[in-house]
Amino acid sequence: TQLLEQSPQFLSIQEGENLTVYCNSSSVFSSLQWYRQEPGEGPVLLVTVVTGGEVKKLKRLTFQFGDARKDSSLHITAAQTGDTGLYLCAGAGNTPLVFGKGTRLSVIA
Amino acid sequence: DAGVIQSPRHEVTEMGQEVTLRCKPISGHDYLFWYRQTMMRGLELLIYFNNNVPIDDSGMPEDRFSAKMPNASFSTLKIQPSEPRDSAVYFCASTSNPNFQGLYGYTFGSGTRLTVV
Repeated sequence: TQLLEQSPQFLSIQEGENLTVYCNSSSVFSSLQWYRQEPGEGPVLLVTVVTGGEVKKLKRLTFQFGDARKDSSLHITAAQTGDTGLYLCAGAGNTPLVFGKGTRLSVIA
Repeated sequence: DAGVIQSPRHEVTEMGQEVTLRCKPISGHDYLFWYRQTMMRGLELLIYFNNNVPIDDSGMPEDRFSAKMPNASFSTLKIQPSEPRDSAVYFCASTSNPNFQGLYGYTFGSGTRLTVV
């Protein structure tokens, strides 16, 4: 069974701070996706990383896929209250997406 | 497109009752997935369909759970009889991804919050 461990589980920061959340696995994935989920809604895709070592930027969010395609990180620069939510990583391979339990981010004004 | 549509948004039922959750995927998406989300276990895959055919139901917790997809625009997840431990948020998702390389992502519905008392 492929498992994805996300850390930290909870994170509360002040607006304007930087943060990094992590997604780790002992399994190799063909690609890895990051989703954001807001209360009362389903997860929404942010980005897909495919190549080992790949870095993608989405405005203030920077996503990196590990060289061995087993781990990934999400870095947010100058966090805003609108970044508050549950961040989920999901691994793709020969089975449907496997999700981590997520990092619950709270950005305080 | 209105996205993946799930109903009802909230369901409160008594233990032992039958519960039916409904999902309308995005038109043209060949895959449909049912996930369950709890704080303890996160998002767990229950079952998925390809072209209306169930492919893998190994995630269905017990025989009390069943799912159908009678046509490309409708799927149901049924729990009979329901138990308090079934309380969770149930999500339906769809994708047009031709394989599982994850290049296209999944589109999720807003979920059904089920409470069994």
